[in-house]
Amino acid sequence: DVKVTQSSRYLVKRTGEKVFLECVQDMDHENMFWYRQDPGLGLRLIYFSYDVKMKEKGDIPEGYSVSREKKERFSLILESASTNQTSMYLCASSSAGGGGYNEQFFGPGTRLTVL
Amino acid sequence: KQEVTQIPAALSVPEGENLVLNCSFTDSAIYNLQWFRQDPGKGLTSLLLIQSSQREQTSGRLNASLDKSSGRSTLYIAASQPGDSATYLCAVTGGFKTIFGAGTRLFVKA
Repeated sequence: DVKVTQSSRYLVKRTGEKVFLECVQDMDHENMFWYRQDPGLGLRLIYFSYDVKMKEKGDIPEGYSVSREKKERFSLILESASTNQTSMYLCASSSAGGGGYNEQFFGPGTRLTVL
Repeated sequence: KQEVTQIPAALSVPEGENLVLNCSFTDSAIYNLQWFRQDPGKGLTSLLLIQSSQREQTSGRLNASLDKSSGRSTLYIAASQPGDSATYLCAVTGGFKTIFGAGTRLFVKA
């Protein structure tokens, strides 16, 4: 079974702190994604990566950056956390075979609260 | 711009009932459509993936259909159980993007 793990289930940070959210997948997937999920707004794509050191902006990249130094690991960075970044953060991965758009597998999520 | 709509937003049924969840999308140029289940406070669990060239997929008591020309997909759940209570989301992928519906919250009463 594909396994996607996220470093923390719950995280509480203060405004202005630098925050790192880590995601690791064990299925050698090429594609990795970071989403945030908010009530009434659904899931929105922040960034995705289709290869090591490659990244593409999603729909809401402002205030975030990402890093992918190894194929299995995709990190989301909040350079200076703000209260409007309080949200559920979900990481996902998928393989790139057969045209590049295959089944996405999600991690358990990180509930981030910024005070 | 792709938009994905799920109807109804919430559904309550007695145990044992067969039910259908609906998903519609505005742009038929898709690569695939995926159905997920999400329990409160948890991540998404993949249920079924339908490639654009397919019409349906089945897994156990679940059957998902896809009609690209009309921009519709349905998720059929047979003989519902209380353990099926969750939010069900559909997601459409096309052009390097996956767009999610807002979900249908299902409650199955024992």
